[in-house]
Amino acid sequence: EVQLVQSGAEVKKPGESLKISCKGSGYSFTSYWIGWVRQMPGKGLEWMGIIYPDDSDTRYSPSFQGQVTMSVDKSITTAYLQWSSLKASDSAMYYCARLASAGEGWFDPWGQGTLVTVSS
Amino acid sequence: QSVLTQPPSVSGAPGQRVTISCTGTSSNIGAGYDVHWYQQLPGTAPKLLFYVNNNRPSGVPDRFSGSKSGTSASLAISGLQAEDEADYFCQSYDRRLSGPVFGGGTKLTVL
Repeated sequence: EVQLVQSGAEVKKPGESLKISCKGSGYSFTSYWIGWVRQMPGKGLEWMGIIYPDDSDTRYSPSFQGQVTMSVDKSITTAYLQWSSLKASDSAMYYCARLASAGEGWFDPWGQGTLVTVSS
Repeated sequence: QSVLTQPPSVSGAPGQRVTISCTGTSSNIGAGYDVHWYQQLPGTAPKLLFYVNNNRPSGVPDRFSGSKSGTSASLAISGLQAEDEADYFCQSYDRRLSGPVFGGGTKLTVL
């Protein structure tokens, strides 16, 4: 079964750093792009960026460029999303999802989501 | 403000048929890029409902159908059931943004 399993919920203070993870299994991890999607409370889905695990080629949405960093460790089939200095406005649910093709395809499957809460 | 426009909400009684529209522009749907649909049940992650306009993954009932024309796409659900109550999102690719774009989502209420 193709599966993406994300790390657990996080509660952080403004200014702290954070790295959340997304572990893929059941398929060739290096052959598919992984995307990250933000969903703020009660809102829609926002594409943050995509990364190709084989060579770490990364493409960021203009809205998130410079705000987050995506990376992978293909030896453990895991993708990461990290922040160097969190803001309260980063509080949201974050999903990883496998992308069928570079940018133009569909996302399937999705991870279960990681809830990030940033509060002083 | 989402790149693709969906109605915020639709509703229907059990057994009825509803449609959800997804309107784009000449840089995404109108440029010929495919449209994909997702269903998000309350408190869960989105799940792929349709890919490449009207292809259903295994397990998705044929009560659901998708179409695309010009700068728009539509999702139709016939024979509404209580379990269909969810948020529905469309997605395409935008060549100006060089990446995937989503609709704002439509909340389906089964009366």
